[in-house]
Amino acid sequence: DAGVTQSPTHLIKTRGQQVTLRCSPISGHKSVSWYQQVLGQGPQFIFQYYEKEERGRGNFPDRFSARQFPNYSSELNVNALLLGDSALYLCASSFNFGGAGGYTFGSGTRLTVV
Amino acid sequence: DQQVKQNSPSLSVQEGRISILNCDYTNSMFDYFLWYKKYPAEGPTFLISISSIKDKNEDGRFTVFLNKSAKHLSLHIVPSQPGDSAVYFCAARTNAGKSTFGDGTTLTVKP
Repeated sequence: DAGVTQSPTHLIKTRGQQVTLRCSPISGHKSVSWYQQVLGQGPQFIFQYYEKEERGRGNFPDRFSARQFPNYSSELNVNALLLGDSALYLCASSFNFGGAGGYTFGSGTRLTVV
Repeated sequence: DQQVKQNSPSLSVQEGRISILNCDYTNSMFDYFLWYKKYPAEGPTFLISISSIKDKNEDGRFTVFLNKSAKHLSLHIVPSQPGDSAVYFCAARTNAGKSTFGDGTTLTVKP
């Protein structure tokens, strides 16, 4: 079975541009979460979606948005990129929403803003 | 305000010995606590979790202990193996699903 797949793996953008990151969850998983990881820190929660509905939002500006599609894949959009948005963006999937089960993470998208 | 803290950025142990990784939290509303392991260029991998109503959970070489009164949890790895060398993240989650992560502890297991 394929794990959580994210695309692209790396990209470089210029300040002020917009970016879309994509995530395909494990087959059968209905929940997708997005995290931002800056070097030297732990992942920071951005969004969680379950059954195509937003179930949680972290402390990120409105420049960050996301959605989940009927096939449970998800996109994270970031507008008006800032240098500080440079980070590893991780997608995680799970079958359920909440509970004790761990999430399965993808390998991430490394975004560099210049 | 960092709600989940891992105060030791790094830990080095000898192969075969016990590794103890620590984590402190401030929010008493957390329902579950989880440990993840991360290798370079990979996403975090789930290791073990514990419910806030328990004080111990064991899975093979990995045991997590929870002390709610002290708002402290620890991960014990026994015996430690060189393949355990990685960054370990502690995470805490409410039943709403949002996970809050610590900044990680880099474990090095020396042969």
